[in-house]
Amino acid sequence: DADVTQTPRNRITKTGKRIMLECSQTKGHDRMYWYRQDPGLGLRLIYYSFDVKDINKGEISDGYSVSRQAQAKFSLSLESAIPNQTALYFCATSDLAREQFFGPGTRLTVL
Amino acid sequence: RKEVEQDPGPFNVPEGATVAFNCTYSNSASQSFFWYRQDCRKEPKLLMSVYSSGNEDGRFTAQLNRASQYISLLIRDSKLSDSATYLCVVITTGGGNKLTFGTGTQLKVEL
Repeated sequence: DADVTQTPRNRITKTGKRIMLECSQTKGHDRMYWYRQDPGLGLRLIYYSFDVKDINKGEISDGYSVSRQAQAKFSLSLESAIPNQTALYFCATSDLAREQFFGPGTRLTVL
Repeated sequence: RKEVEQDPGPFNVPEGATVAFNCTYSNSASQSFFWYRQDCRKEPKLLMSVYSSGNEDGRFTAQLNRASQYISLLIRDSKLSDSATYLCVVITTGGGNKLTFGTGTQLKVEL
């Protein structure tokens, strides 16, 4: 089984809808991250969490919120989706060694 | 100037060739450096860390030049399976670790 899983893997939604992307990990890491990837822009950090009670904004947090429900679970919400949030979203975990382990990604399309 | 810059490529090389990529970073306080590999529509995966003295892993060699603020990745005897996008990652300490991904360099190895 994969160490980092994301659901859904693909999602098409409409402008204004609320959507939640979920991430679970079995690596036992405290640190979890959400990124989005756009062509030509690379991976950009949305939010990160170093433990269950710790939530931090990343480079592009506007329009997003997160919840760290447990050490193993970190979800990303788009309260009111807009078309420029169409992207590939990755969840990642890391330990103190700082290698990042990524989930398989969620391809989100906002119409 | 972007914090981390890479030539997007694509680099088209014949099988067996040697190819090198560079990645420049702007913050002299950057402390840790990595190369990740990303296959099309897949998640990034750690290829290798970059150590100050340079390091080698099979056909792959990573170098760090702090004076000129760049890291490099050399691939010898390219294989078709090396075709992917190579992302450099820079971690800057001070006020919390900040991890920045480059936009990636695409490599296509051809027969």
